Amino acid sequence: GENVEQHPSTLSVQEGDSAVIKCTYSDSASNYFPWYKQELGKRPQLIIDIRSNVGEKKDQRIAVTLNKTAKHFSLHITETQPEDSAVYFCAAQNAGNMLTFGGGTRLMVKP
Amino acid sequence: KAGVTQTPRYLIKTRGQQVTLSCSPISGHRSVSWYQQTPGQGLQFLFEYFSETQRNKGNFPGRFSGRQFSNSRSEMNVSTLELGDSALYLCASSLEQEAFFGQGTRLTVV
Repeated sequence: GENVEQHPSTLSVQEGDSAVIKCTYSDSASNYFPWYKQELGKRPQLIIDIRSNVGEKKDQRIAVTLNKTAKHFSLHITETQPEDSAVYFCAAQNAGNMLTFGGGTRLMVKP
Repeated sequence: KAGVTQTPRYLIKTRGQQVTLSCSPISGHRSVSWYQQTPGQGLQFLFEYFSETQRNKGNFPGRFSGRQFSNSRSEMNVSTLELGDSALYLCASSLEQEAFFGQGTRLTVV
């Protein structure tokens, strides 16, 4: 089955700096790659996603890139703010509609 | 539009008991997936239901089961509870690919 690895597991940045989280997946048939943000005690919230026919997608301060050949995708957050502090999860969905999550990255933005 | 609703929010059960958790998806969503979230293991996929049929299943023992009703509401059952089943159980509903999570049910087994 699909295996998704996420790095780093923790990331500390200064407010205003950029943050990058990277994920790799194993199933070349996976075609949908969402990112979720989970604040403490809350549900995971979908923040951005990308489909396999697209190489990059941006939404204000966040962007996601996908390299299908290398089977990896990344989340980029620019001009980080304290409210960006949370756990971020990447995921990959295969052709059978099964969503597999990475292990999560705890992002801490220091003011 | 109402979001995904899970009940109850909190549960405390004793080892050996069984438990049933409920998930009401967003109106119109026919797919419901269940996940177990623990601090050390992240989000582990349990199973997915679509139009009352189990479409996908994760690597959990047979003590974990589920079902979906004709109105797309789903239930998850865990029998013969073990201490290691203590976790946050999340369900997510989707129309096509975007999945939206409920707030979860926190299960504590003592």
